[in-house]
Amino acid sequence: RKEVEQDPGPFNVPEGATVAFNCTYSNSASQSFFWYRQDCRKEPKLLMSVYSSGNEDGRFTAQLNRASQYISLLIRDSKLSDSATYLCVVRVTGFQKLVFGTGTRLLVSP
Amino acid sequence: DGGITQSPKYLFRKEGQNVTLSCEQNLNHDAMYWYRQDPGQGLRLIYYSQIVNDFQKGDIAEGYSVSREKKESFPLTVTSAQKNPTAFYLCASSISRTGAKNIQYFGAGTRLSVL
Repeated sequence: RKEVEQDPGPFNVPEGATVAFNCTYSNSASQSFFWYRQDCRKEPKLLMSVYSSGNEDGRFTAQLNRASQYISLLIRDSKLSDSATYLCVVRVTGFQKLVFGTGTRLLVSP
Repeated sequence: DGGITQSPKYLFRKEGQNVTLSCEQNLNHDAMYWYRQDPGQGLRLIYYSQIVNDFQKGDIAEGYSVSREKKESFPLTVTSAQKNPTAFYLCASSISRTGAKNIQYFGAGTRLSVL
């Protein structure tokens, strides 16, 4: 089983739609959680950290469910510019290592 | 402009050749990392360094070597022992390697191909 699993997609949504991605992690010692965004042939960029109580940044909302070991990302009012691959990233306690998921691809169409 | 600079953007390697990828940061970050990304796979850690003159193997260090002689610089050499070097190589840095300061920021990457 992969340490971090994501649905690769693609998720095809129209502009203005709301879309949600989930990510599951296998190591219960995971300590910190992030969503990164990666555009085609570019480097990953930090989108947001994910906090236990959930957090929001504009149109983006991240949630963490430690009991079920998954995190989610909700994007409201999708824009064409949201088209990208979203990487779920987890840090494991002890090793202080970041583990990257393979990403979920989002395509927003006019 | 603060950031992480990787060069070159594209690199071609001949059979049996060693090549070196450059990574420089002016963020005053202590920790630096090298990752490899292949299509359909997540980023995989090659090497990391927490401080100058110290570095550790990641998950896929075979066929690679690094040095950390200066805080700002963490070059990666892809040796001829790396039989499948074609990939997108990403360098990252973070303030430190532990705790909340381990948010990693990436350079623009180097695409390595074999001739």
